[in-house]
Amino acid sequence: DGGITQSPKYLFRKEGQNVTLSCEQNLNHDAMYWYRQDPGQGLRLIYYSQIVNDFQKGDIAEGYSVSREKKESFPLTVTSAQKNPTAFYLCASGTRGYGYTFGSGTRLTVV
Amino acid sequence: AQSVTQPDIHITVSEGASLELRCNYSYGATPYLFWYVQSPGQGLQLLLKYFSGDTLVQGIKGFEAEFKRSQSSFNLRKPSVHWSDAAEYFCAVGIQGAQKLVFGQGTRLTINP
Repeated sequence: DGGITQSPKYLFRKEGQNVTLSCEQNLNHDAMYWYRQDPGQGLRLIYYSQIVNDFQKGDIAEGYSVSREKKESFPLTVTSAQKNPTAFYLCASGTRGYGYTFGSGTRLTVV
Repeated sequence: AQSVTQPDIHITVSEGASLELRCNYSYGATPYLFWYVQSPGQGLQLLLKYFSGDTLVQGIKGFEAEFKRSQSSFNLRKPSVHWSDAAEYFCAVGIQGAQKLVFGQGTRLTINP
C-alpha cells in the first residue's frame, strides 16, 4: 500500500545531541514537508522540498536541517542548536493542489 | 500574511447531534481549502478539500463543508455525530498554488454519550 512511513515513533534525545527523524514515501509525490506540532499551537512548517536536491526553510527552521537526496526520502535532523525540541513531528508529502498525505508522526522528548 | 482562524478551541456535542466547526481564512488570491482530522498521537487525515466549482463540498465520514467567499469562511458540518468523531480538526489554506499549507490552531471535538 502507498503511504508515508515515519520512524521511530518515539525518540529520546539527550542535551547537546543531534538526532535524525526518518520519513519515507512511496506515493511518487514530488513535494515533502516537515511540521512541528505543540499543544495549542497547531502545525508549524519547519522545512519543505519541492524537488530532489532542493529544499526551503519554513517558519521555524532554526535548529533543524534536512536533505533530499532521493525523491522518496526527506530526513529531518534536530540539532543541538534547537533549544526546545520536545514536540510531535509530522512529515507529509503531496502533489501540487491536491493536499497532503501525512505520516503517523514521531514524538521527540529531551531527557 | 496568510492565516487561518479556528475560533473554537474545544467543542462538546452529544452523540447524534449536529456539528459545525468554524474556519475563517485570510488570503488575497483564490484559496485552496482543506479540512483534516487527527486522532490522538496520530497523523492527519484529509476529510475534504475545495479548489473551485460547487461551494458545498462532500468529504469522507459524512462530513461536508461550505465555502463562502464573502465571509472568507469554510465551515465544516456533519448532521449527526458519532462517538468515533471525537478528535482534533484542522482547517488549512493552500498558498502559492497550494505548494504550502497554512493550518489553523485546531478545534478539539468531544462527544458526550
